[in-house]
Amino acid sequence: DIQMTQSPSSLSASVGDRVTITCRASQSISSYLNWYQQKPGKAPKLLIYAASSLQSGVPSRFSGSGSGTDFTLTISSLQPEDFATYYCQQSYSTLSFTFGPGTKVDIK
Amino acid sequence: EVQLVQSGAEVKKPGESLKISCKGSGYSFTSYWIGWVRQMPGKGLEWMGIIYPGDSDTRYSPSFQGQVTISADKSISTAYLQWSSLKASDTAMYYCARHAENWGSNWFDPWGQGTLVTVSS
Repeated sequence: DIQMTQSPSSLSASVGDRVTITCRASQSISSYLNWYQQKPGKAPKLLIYAASSLQSGVPSRFSGSGSGTDFTLTISSLQPEDFATYYCQQSYSTLSFTFGPGTKVDIK
Repeated sequence: EVQLVQSGAEVKKPGESLKISCKGSGYSFTSYWIGWVRQMPGKGLEWMGIIYPGDSDTRYSPSFQGQVTISADKSISTAYLQWSSLKASDTAMYYCARHAENWGSNWFDPWGQGTLVTVSS
């Protein structure tokens, strides 16, 4: 099974800060990596698919990069509505998926 | 608009059975896999399994194999997640999500609003 890790597990940041979250896979997953945002009491929302493709309607301050085992999600200028938990997810294994443990972004 | 609407919150006792639902609309329900994801209180997302409503082909995470049953009724565009004997540890929010593919990649979008299952004596 492919295991996913994320760092940090939580971070505190201010509005306007540049934020970077890292996701690592236990084996190479090419670019089969997705990012989701989850706000308290809400369902997860797709932000980035295929490591770097921005989902329609998602603000351009979100970007993703990486391939193989190491990936990053970057928020270029943190906005008040971006305080949430972010999950990476591998979709390399055929019809078998794994989520990372999540990174909680809160207000400094 | 592509939408998944899940059934309402449930409160059950240990040992009881339960079936929750996820109704798709705005797309061809039989052409996309539907996945189920568990989120225990204060915890992360866990993939449980996935079904193709077109032919009911189903795959389970090893962690959930034998613990739940995933099914679908394509005539009413609805997928189901069911338990035969609930445990307190099944208390969680359960999400369904449509599995989409393009250009060789794949992801879950959109997601249902979630169904909260509480199991308590």
